[in-house]
Amino acid sequence: QVQLQESGPGLVKPSETLSLTCTVSAGSLSGYYWSWIRQPPGEGLEWIGYIYHSGSTTYNPSLESRVTISLDTSKNQLSLKLTSVTAADTATYYCARDYWQRLGGSSWAYYGLDVWGQGTTVTVSS
Amino acid sequence: IVLTQSPGTLSLSPGERATLSCRASQSITSRFLTWYQQKPGQAPRLLIYGASSRATGVPDRFSGSGSGTDFTLIISGLQPEDFAVYYCQQYDASPPGYAFGQGTKLEIK
Repeated sequence: QVQLQESGPGLVKPSETLSLTCTVSAGSLSGYYWSWIRQPPGEGLEWIGYIYHSGSTTYNPSLESRVTISLDTSKNQLSLKLTSVTAADTATYYCARDYWQRLGGSSWAYYGLDVWGQGTTVTVSS
Repeated sequence: IVLTQSPGTLSLSPGERATLSCRASQSITSRFLTWYQQKPGQAPRLLIYGASSRATGVPDRFSGSGSGTDFTLIISGLQPEDFAVYYCQQYDASPPGYAFGQGTKLEIK
């Protein structure tokens, strides 16, 4: 059964870059989309962006200028970089498998964010 | 598109039926509407995709329905483990991406 594990620094200074990695085990990056989602303390979920196994990306417009999501297929990992962080970026960050299936032509079926990592908490503070 | 969930908090007793609402600011494609459950300290768990299809391993007391702008998650015969926060999520193609509702907290009365 595929498992996801986020890792990275738990503390980042304001104005610096937040860098996280999500390692995929017992499964492959191939054939799936992969999303990053975050959750500020006591608040709801915010989608950050996703990447297809081909490397194409789509980001939340509110974060697009600061976000980069990439894949390392040799390590079966995806990564998240968020630049110029502020206290507002303090959150638990999750990676998740994003299950889309092409039905034919331009038609797709969506089966949801079906596998999640346990999340990693990042605090932005000096 | 903005998703608005109601109520914000729902207080019920085990055995009762819970009705959670997710309303979209404009009509959305039901096959892109999903529901998640989140318990304290845990990652969200996929419950329903395509507005009404249960994910693998989800008990049949969970059911989803709706179309257009109004979607509903019903939990029949609440079990102690069902008390959690529930989020709806939708995919929009223009611009492409996801939005989550703000969540409904289901608490024990």
